[in-house]
Amino acid sequence: TQLLEQSPQFLSIQEGENLTVYCNSSSVFSSLQWYRQEPGEGPVLLVTVVTGGEVKKLKRLTFQFGDARKDSSLHITAAQPGDTGLYLCAGAKTGGTSYGKLTFGQGTILTVHP
Amino acid sequence: DTAVSQTPKYLVTQMGNDKSIKCEQNLGHDTMYWYKQDSKKFLKIMFSYNNKELIINETVPNRFSPKSPDKAHLNLHINSLELGDSAVYFCASSPDLASYNEQFFGPGTRLTVL
Repeated sequence: TQLLEQSPQFLSIQEGENLTVYCNSSSVFSSLQWYRQEPGEGPVLLVTVVTGGEVKKLKRLTFQFGDARKDSSLHITAAQPGDTGLYLCAGAKTGGTSYGKLTFGQGTILTVHP
Repeated sequence: DTAVSQTPKYLVTQMGNDKSIKCEQNLGHDTMYWYKQDSKKFLKIMFSYNNKELIINETVPNRFSPKSPDKAHLNLHINSLELGDSAVYFCASSPDLASYNEQFFGPGTRLTVL
């Protein structure tokens, strides 16, 4: 059973378009992170959201954590070819055997065409 | 300069062989992880260590044995390699076990079992 459902799996758009990637779960997470991974490299953290309803902006990227801390979204405005990559959401829980454990979504492969 | 390094970058080997992947972090972090990323880009945690102590041991065949000689190193030894072990293996580290911590990933080791 996949704890974090990420959609869409693939996204191919033209430069300048807007897009949204969703990360949904039936579980509550203490925090949720978004990573970006380029070919041949490891994931790199973009943002961490910890409070229900929290919105964070990173230039043209807007991240939102759901009020119930079960879901999150990543919105990119005016996408550029440099945004191309694999975007991963990852949820963390605290306590018990969950300490330090990140559960990843399946990832969204974004391709932005010039 | 490299924060989390792994060797080798590529590993091609025959079924049944034993191989090791090494990981080192120079960030002074207490916690280190091993992840497996399959061909569909799904990233799944295998192990985590905190100050050389095993914290997370997911349902991983006991052919996989992590070893942490000190908190800056976490190596992964794999016995009797199988075709299904082919994947990209990522080492990561974080300051400690807190759920909101960023995890810093290494560049990955692409293992191909023939």
